[in-house]
Amino acid sequence: DTGVSQNPRHKITKRGQNVTFRCDPISEHNRLYWYRQTLGQGPEFLTYFQNEAQLEKSRLLSDRFSAERPKGSFSTLEIQRTEQGDSAMYLCASSPNLREYGYTFGSGTRLTVV
Amino acid sequence: AQSVSQHNHHVILSEAASLELGCNYSYGGTVNLFWYVQYPGQHLQLLLKYFSGDPLVKGIKGFEAEFIKSKFSFNLRKPSVQWSDTAEYFCAVNAGTGANNLFFGTGTRLTVIP
Repeated sequence: DTGVSQNPRHKITKRGQNVTFRCDPISEHNRLYWYRQTLGQGPEFLTYFQNEAQLEKSRLLSDRFSAERPKGSFSTLEIQRTEQGDSAMYLCASSPNLREYGYTFGSGTRLTVV
Repeated sequence: AQSVSQHNHHVILSEAASLELGCNYSYGGTVNLFWYVQYPGQHLQLLLKYFSGDPLVKGIKGFEAEFIKSKFSFNLRKPSVQWSDTAEYFCAVNAGTGANNLFFGTGTRLTVIP
């Protein structure tokens, strides 16, 4: 499978715990994006990497959220001190050129904070 | 600020009916437009995109969309829907040459009755 891979698929955590998600993009794609999707809403942009550089962060990305993409390959998204409002589907996407090709999305990680 | 409006939240059609889903965006400059589909239990997939040139674009599975700049619209159409088209449809815009992400609408849920 040469698509975008996300792990884990599901994560249930207690409020206050830290969680980390991983995204493996399509290897030829130098652009990587994280989005969050809640029920009844479209995906909301969180952050964008070009290679290893994090070039843009949404205001949705509070101080409790951090993302990395070491070596410009896979990326991790960490949420510290989770809150119930963090419950959502976290989507990763990659692209060689956004304007011309759009995104290829992964299947997402569904986070439930109890 | 840019926004994408999908006024139809839920559309119910019988098989073989024609489909048109509305998408309007608010941005006066250069845009690239996309339609994504999310089938039940699956990840978001690209249906079609407008990058430049012919404003009538054709996508997969018989879908097409027309970019009407004067109306800030990019409506999705299909002449005859099938039960397998039951899914959620998202319109997205990349607004401006410096924009690094896609902005999504809230989606339209399509239910096709056999």
